Amino acid sequence: DAGVTQSPTHLIKTRGQQVTLRCSPKSGHDTVSWYQQALGQGPQFIFQYYEEEERQRGNFPDRFSGHQFPNYSSELNVNALLLGDSALYLCASSFPAVGQGRYEQYFGPGTRLTVT
Amino acid sequence: AQKVTQAQTEISVVEKEDVTLDCVYETRDTTYYLFWYKQPPSGELVFLIRRNSFDEQNEISGRYSWNFQKSTSSFNFTITASQVVDSAVYFCALSAIWRGGKLIFGQGTELSVKP
Repeated sequence: DAGVTQSPTHLIKTRGQQVTLRCSPKSGHDTVSWYQQALGQGPQFIFQYYEEEERQRGNFPDRFSGHQFPNYSSELNVNALLLGDSALYLCASSFPAVGQGRYEQYFGPGTRLTVT
Repeated sequence: AQKVTQAQTEISVVEKEDVTLDCVYETRDTTYYLFWYKQPPSGELVFLIRRNSFDEQNEISGRYSWNFQKSTSSFNFTITASQVVDSAVYFCALSAIWRGGKLIFGQGTELSVKP
């Protein structure tokens, strides 16, 4: 049973550039969430995708955008990179919450983005 | 507003000691989920447990146990007879059941278990 996969593992970009990170959810999951984790901090929610639409969004600027494909995989795009965007970007997948059903989010290994 | 506080930034113990990681949360929701995740040096967050707000039964899984007390808004995690492999950062998280699952994480507690 394949878990959540993310690519690339590491990335170095220059301030002002654009970056795309990719995520494939765990088999059977159809909801993908993205989180940003700065060094020494807890993960911060960026947004969540379900049925190819953004369902929830955290307190992140419009420079952060995403997409979900029909096969449930997802991309996170960040435009006009700032030094402060350097972080570990985590993707998590899950089933959507239905009543009191199962609702664990399973995380991928993350993409370490360094902006210089 | 929702908030999770893990007051212990770092804990260091010697192998075989018991250790408790504290988690205090704030929410106005009457129903919610609480979680614990482990983050080893590799970086991947590993799911440990989910608790529903309407179920205050404590849970034990091997050397791990969790104490949920709604009256004090706490969801503490105890590792019995700690091992070096338990060394990691542990995160407590909160999610509203009816809002699609956005996780609110605490700052994390870094546990170091020395041989």
